[in-house]
Amino acid sequence: LAKTTQPISMDSYEGQEVNITCSHNNIATNDYITWYQQFPSQGPRFIIQGYKTKVTNEVASLFIPADRKSSTLSLPRVSLSDTAVYYCLVGDGSFQKLVFGTGTRLLVSP
Amino acid sequence: EPEVTQTPSHQVTQMGQEVILRCVPISNHLYFYWYRQILGQKVEFLVSFYNNEISEKSEIFDDQFSVERPDGSNFTLKIRSTKLEDSAMYFCASNPGEDQPQHFGDGTRLSIL
Repeated sequence: LAKTTQPISMDSYEGQEVNITCSHNNIATNDYITWYQQFPSQGPRFIIQGYKTKVTNEVASLFIPADRKSSTLSLPRVSLSDTAVYYCLVGDGSFQKLVFGTGTRLLVSP
Repeated sequence: EPEVTQTPSHQVTQMGQEVILRCVPISNHLYFYWYRQILGQKVEFLVSFYNNEISEKSEIFDDQFSVERPDGSNFTLKIRSTKLEDSAMYFCASNPGEDQPQHFGDGTRLSIL
C-alpha cells in the first residue's frame, strides 16, 4: 500500500476555499485516490475518488497532477460544519479493506 | 437516505465479559465490515464479510472476535473475554459492491472497566 502524508491540521475561516494536499510518492499504476471525512463521534463518510486530472462533485474537487505523486482536496467556501478530519487513502480503487492514516484535522472558525 | 445503524451507541462492560455489538447495514448492500478506532488514533480495519463468510480479517481480529449475520438484516461483532484495550469506537460499514463507497454507521463506543 502506498504511504500517504498529509498535514496534521489546518485552520480556515468561513467562506474560504480550503485545499488539503496529500503526498503519495509510491502510488502504483492501478491505485486510486480516495478522500473521506469524519466528524467527531461519527463514522467516516466518503467524499470523492479520482485517478487522474480533476474530479468534481457537489461537495468537493480533487486535483491530481500528471505524476500522481500528490493530490489536493479542494473544499469551496467552507462553513463551520466542515470542521472535521479529512483522510486521504490510496489503494486499488475497490472499497474493500480501507486503510486510514492519521488524517488532517480541519478547524473552520467564524 | 438509507443509513447504517448501530446499537447500542455506548456499551459499558466489565473486563472479561462478552459483548455483542449490533449493526443493521443498508438493506441492498452485500458487503459488510467492522472497524475500530481507539480514542485519538486511526480508524483500523477489523474484518470484511460477504456471502455469509469472512472475506478478509486483520491481525487485530484474533480468536477473541467473531462476526455473524444471524438473519437478513443484522450483522454482529462479538468480543469474548473483553480486555481493557478493547475500549474503542467500533464502526460498522456496508456497500452494495466492492466498487462502491462504504457507508459507515455512527459507531458504538465500547468502554471496558
